[in-house]
Amino acid sequence: GIQVEQSPPDLILQEGANSTLRCNFSDSVNNLQWFHQNPWGQLINLFYIPSGTKQNGRLSATTVATERYSLLYISSSQTTDSGVYFCARSFGNEKLTFGTGTRLTIIP
Amino acid sequence: GAVVSQHPSRVICKSGTSVKIECRSLDFQATTMFWYRQFPKQSLMLMATSNEGSKATYEQGVEKDKFLINHASLTLSTLTVTSAHPEDSSFYICSASPSGGETYEQYFGPGTRLTVT
Repeated sequence: GIQVEQSPPDLILQEGANSTLRCNFSDSVNNLQWFHQNPWGQLINLFYIPSGTKQNGRLSATTVATERYSLLYISSSQTTDSGVYFCARSFGNEKLTFGTGTRLTIIP
Repeated sequence: GAVVSQHPSRVICKSGTSVKIECRSLDFQATTMFWYRQFPKQSLMLMATSNEGSKATYEQGVEKDKFLINHASLTLSTLTVTSAHPEDSSFYICSASPSGGETYEQYFGPGTRLTVT
């Protein structure tokens, strides 16, 4: 079946550090999204990025669909960035398949 | 905009009872809503796709008679866990896709934590 693997699975950083989260997917995509699940469970849409690069404040994302990966960059981390980051992909009208997640902990 | 609510946020029930979870799109209409289940420290797994006015589509391995879905209006879908057992304890998350938009455009509710004792 379709596989969406994220790395690293866990990441602990000091406040102010930068990080790169990776999402590898096994099949073609025309939809790739990044989400942040906060410690209370709420999922927040971060990026819709089937290809190319986007930036939103301290966060940016790049997807190289031909090589089947996407990256999420977080700069100058804050404690509020803690939580689990998921990528999710689909193609056409397929269901959204979520990745394995990266649990990020920012230490003050 | 694009707010989705879920009720209740947390519920504890006894084994053998049924529990209903509501998912509402507050400021948009949603022809399609989705129900996910998330076990501790795991990813979200799609359980079923709910379409207004028609039967839900269940993913492989999800019992439709156990997880009853009703999408009676363009702003409300309900998930009823019938005859709940401890293994049904999980975090249930719904999402709603704005009518006329793309399927991948989903806005997520805050989740419902179900504990079956």
